[in-house]
Amino acid sequence: ELKVEQNPLFLSMQEGKNYTIYCNYSTTSDRLYWYRQDPGKSLESLFVLLSNGAVKQEGRLMASLDTKARLSTLHITAAVHDLSATYFCAVDATSGSRLTFGEGTQLTVNP
Amino acid sequence: EAQVTQNPRYLITVTGKKLTVTCSQNMNHEYMSWYRQDPGLGLRQIYYSMNVEVTDKGDVPEGYKVSRKEKRNFPLILESPSPNQTSLYFCASSFLAGGKETQYFGPGTRLLVL
Repeated sequence: ELKVEQNPLFLSMQEGKNYTIYCNYSTTSDRLYWYRQDPGKSLESLFVLLSNGAVKQEGRLMASLDTKARLSTLHITAAVHDLSATYFCAVDATSGSRLTFGEGTQLTVNP
Repeated sequence: EAQVTQNPRYLITVTGKKLTVTCSQNMNHEYMSWYRQDPGLGLRQIYYSMNVEVTDKGDVPEGYKVSRKEKRNFPLILESPSPNQTSLYFCASSFLAGGKETQYFGPGTRLLVL
């Protein structure tokens, strides 16, 4: 059974600081996704990582994938309040778009 | 506008009263899926469909049914809802391109079963 674990589950940080969210998964996969969810809203796609060593960046967020370590990271640079949300990673290990989600990391960026 | 729609968005019902949550996408996606989201548990897949008339169980299928008679629609049916099915439900869709595309999520349906 595929397990996907994120840490930390809760993260409170100050504006301007950097931090990293980690996503570990238990079986071989080369497809990993990051989503953002604002309170009371649906999920918004952030990144799709499809190969070992893949790195993608959008604004203050950068995601990477190490398939050998079964680890993805979401790095936040110079956080701003607008980044406050819950971030989910999800892994597809079935070649059929069947996703298993992590528990989510609730990020709060304080002024 | 490319989108996944769900109806209703909010529903309060009583135990045992059959209900259907509709899901529709306008992107000609082959793959559609239903998830439920519960605090502390993340999102768990209920059922998924690879194409018309092709459906399969996800991780938590008990108490749910689905059908895929048309490519754009994937309704979720609760034949006899129970309080433990109180949850936030999301429908999602994507192309089946080896997972190269992300899944697009609907706005969610918040269900309360009394």
